[in-house]
Amino acid sequence: DAEITQSPRHKITETGRQVTLACHQTWNHNNMFWYRQDLGHGLRLIHYSYGVQDTNKGEVSDGYSVSRSNTEDLPLTLESAASSQTSVYFCASSEGSANTGELFFGEGSRLTVL
Amino acid sequence: AQSVTQLGSHVSVSEGALVLLRCNYSSSVPPYLFWYVQYPNQGLQLLLKYTTGATLVKGINGFEAEFKKSETSFHLTKPSAHMSDAAEYFCAVIGSGYSTLTFGKGTMLLVSP
Repeated sequence: DAEITQSPRHKITETGRQVTLACHQTWNHNNMFWYRQDLGHGLRLIHYSYGVQDTNKGEVSDGYSVSRSNTEDLPLTLESAASSQTSVYFCASSEGSANTGELFFGEGSRLTVL
Repeated sequence: AQSVTQLGSHVSVSEGALVLLRCNYSSSVPPYLFWYVQYPNQGLQLLLKYTTGATLVKGINGFEAEFKKSETSFHLTKPSAHMSDAAEYFCAVIGSGYSTLTFGKGTMLLVSP
């Protein structure tokens, strides 16, 4: 079955370190998204991509970057981790040439920055 | 710009009681509206959606929602709650075209025996 997987599922790191969270989907979806989930804030969009070589900033993109070199993967990089980036991160994908809003989510990556 | 407001961060019901989770939206264009559900330690999954056409939308697990343009609302209901409905529910809105999905802050549904 097609799926979307995130790794690692849990990570603890130190302030200032670079961290990369992986996201891989096997649906061949054009659209991929990264959200962070924090208590009291719901889900907030970090970055998104509508296809290979396309990346766009979301609502809370500062301190994060993404790259899209193929259809299946959209890794999220924290260049210099900060305690404010402690969160649960969700990757999602959707099909079609435009964002229909019907997202398929991974199971999340819990990141703790000490 | 688009946004959603979910009234109540927590809603508690007894098993068998009516479930009502409130969502109001703001959008400068005709919206697409969604409800997603998140079970503990899982990602979100789509419960139901409204795009165009019939304003009463039925979803999975007996949930439904009604789009009311005059009230800018998209409330989620279920006639009889089950213990397995305990989860966090998110309302979301998207404008047409290449806009992105904007989520509300979520409502945790607690179901007691």
